[in-house]
Amino acid sequence: DAEITQSPRHKITETGRQVTLACHQTWNHNNMFWYRQDLGHGLRLIHYSYGVQDTNKGEVSDGYSVSRSNTEDLPLTLESAASSQTSVYFCASSERGQRETQYFGPGTRLLVL
Amino acid sequence: RKEVEQDPGPFNVPEGATVAFNCTYSNSASQSFFWYRQDCRKEPKLLMSVYSSGNEDGRFTAQLNRASQYISLLIRDSKLSDSATYLCVVNGNTGGFKTIFGAGTRLFVKA
Repeated sequence: DAEITQSPRHKITETGRQVTLACHQTWNHNNMFWYRQDLGHGLRLIHYSYGVQDTNKGEVSDGYSVSRSNTEDLPLTLESAASSQTSVYFCASSERGQRETQYFGPGTRLLVL
Repeated sequence: RKEVEQDPGPFNVPEGATVAFNCTYSNSASQSFFWYRQDCRKEPKLLMSVYSSGNEDGRFTAQLNRASQYISLLIRDSKLSDSATYLCVVNGNTGGFKTIFGAGTRLFVKA
C-alpha cells in the first residue's frame, strides 16, 4: 500500500546542531509539505514543493530549508537548531491540483535542548 | 485576529449526544473548506470537505455560511471513537499557497 513515512520519529538534539528530518512518500504525489504543530497554533506551513526541483517558503520558514531531488522525498533541514524549534513536525503530500486533500506522515517529535 | 479561529474546547459529551463545532475565517475570498480529524499524538486525517450547499457523511454534517464567514461540523449520535481534535481548514486562491489550519477543537465522548 502507498504510504508516507517520516524518520526519525523522535529526536533530541542540542542548540546549534544541524538536523535533518526525512519524509518519504510512495503515493507518487507531486505536492509535498512540511508543517510544525505547537500547542495553540495549529499546523503552520514551513516549506512546500509542487514537484522536483521546486521549493517554496511557507509561513514559518526561517531557520529551515528543503530540497526536492526526486518525487518521493522532501527532507527538512534545521540549519542551526534553536530551542524555539522544539515541536512536532508533520510531512504531508497531495496530488497535483489537490492541495487541500493532504495525506500526513506520522510526525517527528523534536526536542532541542 | 487569527485567519482561522476555533473554540479549543474541550467539549465533553455523553455517548449518543449531538455536538456542533464552529470555525470562523477572516478572508472573505476563501474558496474551499475542509474538516480534518486528529487523534491524540497522531497525524491529521481528512474527515470531509465542506460544500456550499452543505453535505453529510453518515453521522457528520458540514455546513458553510459565507455571509457570516464560518463553517460548522455537526456530529450526531456521538460514539466513544469520535473523541479527537477536529481541525478546520480554509483555503484561498489569492496567489501562492494559502491553506490555513485552525488550532482545533477537542472533543471527548464519555460512556
